[in-house]
Amino acid sequence: GQQVMQIPQYQHVQEGEDFTTYCNSSTTLSNIQWYKQRPGGHPVFLIQLVKSGEVKKQKRLTFQFGEAKKNSSLHITATQTTDVGTYFCAGRVGAQKLVFGQGTRLTINP
Amino acid sequence: DSGVTQTPKHLITATGQRVTLRCSPRSGDLSVYWYQQSLDQGLQFLIQYYNGEERAKGNILERFSAQQFPDLHSELNLSSLELGDSALYFCASSAPFEGGAGELFFGEGSRLTVL
Repeated sequence: GQQVMQIPQYQHVQEGEDFTTYCNSSTTLSNIQWYKQRPGGHPVFLIQLVKSGEVKKQKRLTFQFGEAKKNSSLHITATQTTDVGTYFCAGRVGAQKLVFGQGTRLTINP
Repeated sequence: DSGVTQTPKHLITATGQRVTLRCSPRSGDLSVYWYQQSLDQGLQFLIQYYNGEERAKGNILERFSAQQFPDLHSELNLSSLELGDSALYFCASSAPFEGGAGELFFGEGSRLTVL
């Protein structure tokens, strides 16, 4: 079945360093979504990418969708302690179920 | 506040027992999704309903069942519970598009502990 792989599983950085998480799908996606889950919280939607090669920015966060629509990345510039949490990508094939990656847990040393 | 309500927030029960988790989606949302999140794990898709009908099924065990009622709330039934069923169960809803193509709004989850 459809799989979405996300790496790394864990990432620890110093505050101010950059952070990137990568997402790869075994099948072509119709769109990909990114979510953030704070410790003890629930996933919260960040963004959705639909077009091949699409790049979107939200302040210090940059999201990319690959040309083949099989991979995506989230890059955070100059991390802050408020960025702590687990970041999930979620890929959708057609209009069917949304499959989540395993998530990347980001911890930050202030 | 996402607008998605899940009850109970916490549940402790014994192996072999049966529990029901309840979810009320955001007002107007027709799609409801159930996910299981074990400790330090990702979100495992269980099942999706759209306007009362099952739309997609994931890795849901035969001991688990769900349904969406005419008022659009949903229930996830977990039976013959095992220790490994201990997890956080999330419900999410999405906007009224065919198949639920939009973003998911998650509830705060129901934490199930099986002793």
